[in-house]
Amino acid sequence: RKEVEQDPGPFNVPEGATVAFNCTYSNSASQSFFWYRQDCRKEPKLLMSVYSSGNEDGRFTAQLNRASQYISLLIRDSKLSDSATYLCVVKPANAGGTSYGKLTFGQGTILTVHP
Amino acid sequence: DVKVTQSSRYLVKRTGEKVFLECVQDMDHENMFWYRQDPGLGLRLIYFSYDVKMKEKGDIPEGYSVSREKKERFSLILESASTNQTSMYLCASSLVLGTGGETQYFGPGTRLLVL
Repeated sequence: RKEVEQDPGPFNVPEGATVAFNCTYSNSASQSFFWYRQDCRKEPKLLMSVYSSGNEDGRFTAQLNRASQYISLLIRDSKLSDSATYLCVVKPANAGGTSYGKLTFGQGTILTVHP
Repeated sequence: DVKVTQSSRYLVKRTGEKVFLECVQDMDHENMFWYRQDPGLGLRLIYFSYDVKMKEKGDIPEGYSVSREKKERFSLILESASTNQTSMYLCASSLVLGTGGETQYFGPGTRLLVL
């Protein structure tokens, strides 16, 4: 089983739609959770961190469910500029002193927003 | 603004050649990482380094080596390039854990084609 699993999509939605992505992780001791965004032929960039209480940044809402080991990202009122690949990212449990900073990336979910 | 640069955007090499990929970051980050990204497989960690001259194997280190002689520079070496090393290579850096530094900042990537 992969450490981090995402539905690769693609998701094709019209402008203004609400779209949700889910991600599951296998290690219950994982420490921190993030969503990164990667535009076509560009590098990944941090979109937002994910907290147990849920957090919101404008049109984006992230949720973490530790009991079920899944993370979600909700995008409301989709814009054309939201078209990208969304990467679910997990910081694994520290297996030793040299694991600091290491992250595990999901394969990404492709979103295309059309007019 | 954090900047991570990679020596080449595109490289074409022949099977058996020795290949050097260079990465430089300007934010005094302790941690540096090399990933490869392939369709359907996502980002996979090759090697990482948490300090000068320190290195740790990632998930797919076979066929690669690294060098970190200076804090700002992390090099990936393909000792004898093979066609299955054709990929997008991404370098990233981050601060030490505990200083709010779990965010990884990526370079623009190097597309390597091995013929």
